[in-house]
Amino acid sequence: DIQMTQSPSSLSVSVGDRVSITCQASQDIRNYLNWYQQKPGKAPRLLIYDSSNLETGVTSRFSGNGSGTDFTFTISSLQPEDIATYYCQQYDNLPLTFGPGTKVDIK
Amino acid sequence: EVQLVESGGGLVKPGGSLRLSCAASGFTFNKVWMSWVRQAPGKGLEWVGRFKSRADGGTTDYAAPVKGRFAISRDDSKNTLYLQMNSLKTEDTAVYFCTTGANTLSFWGLGTLVTVSS
Repeated sequence: DIQMTQSPSSLSVSVGDRVSITCQASQDIRNYLNWYQQKPGKAPRLLIYDSSNLETGVTSRFSGNGSGTDFTFTISSLQPEDIATYYCQQYDNLPLTFGPGTKVDIK
Repeated sequence: EVQLVESGGGLVKPGGSLRLSCAASGFTFNKVWMSWVRQAPGKGLEWVGRFKSRADGGTTDYAAPVKGRFAISRDDSKNTLYLQMNSLKTEDTAVYFCTTGANTLSFWGLGTLVTVSS
């Protein structure tokens, strides 16, 4: 199975700050990497697919990049509604695997 | 508007069985691959399995921890996806989400909680 790691596991930031989350795959997954947002008690929501493509209706504050084994998710200017846990997910090989998540909250 | 509504969760004893349903609307169900993902309390997301559309073969794939115990099926006439769970273990306790897609999980239901406990 492809193992996904994320860092940091949590971070506290101020409104307006730039936030970056990294995701690393245990082997080359090309650009087969998605990012999801999950707010407490809610279902996950797809934000970014194929490493860098913004899902329809998702704010352009969010962006993603990377290929191979190293990926980054960025929030350009954190807003209160961005408080959530963010997960990366690979689909280069079955089983689909998720990173452990990065919890973002307000300082 | 895409809607996915899971049902059928509840409390079951270890070794027991449960069948979850996912009622879909707002899209052409029979053309879409569907998946199940679960989340244990306070934990991350874990892929359970998927069912390809009939046009793409109509076959299933499963994660190793559930293979041989869980079975995914679909009734395209009812726009409904199912997850039959047998030989349940305490470690199967989780919220189970129904999602659209095979690799990129575009839409998610709100989930249904399954608790396996004696």
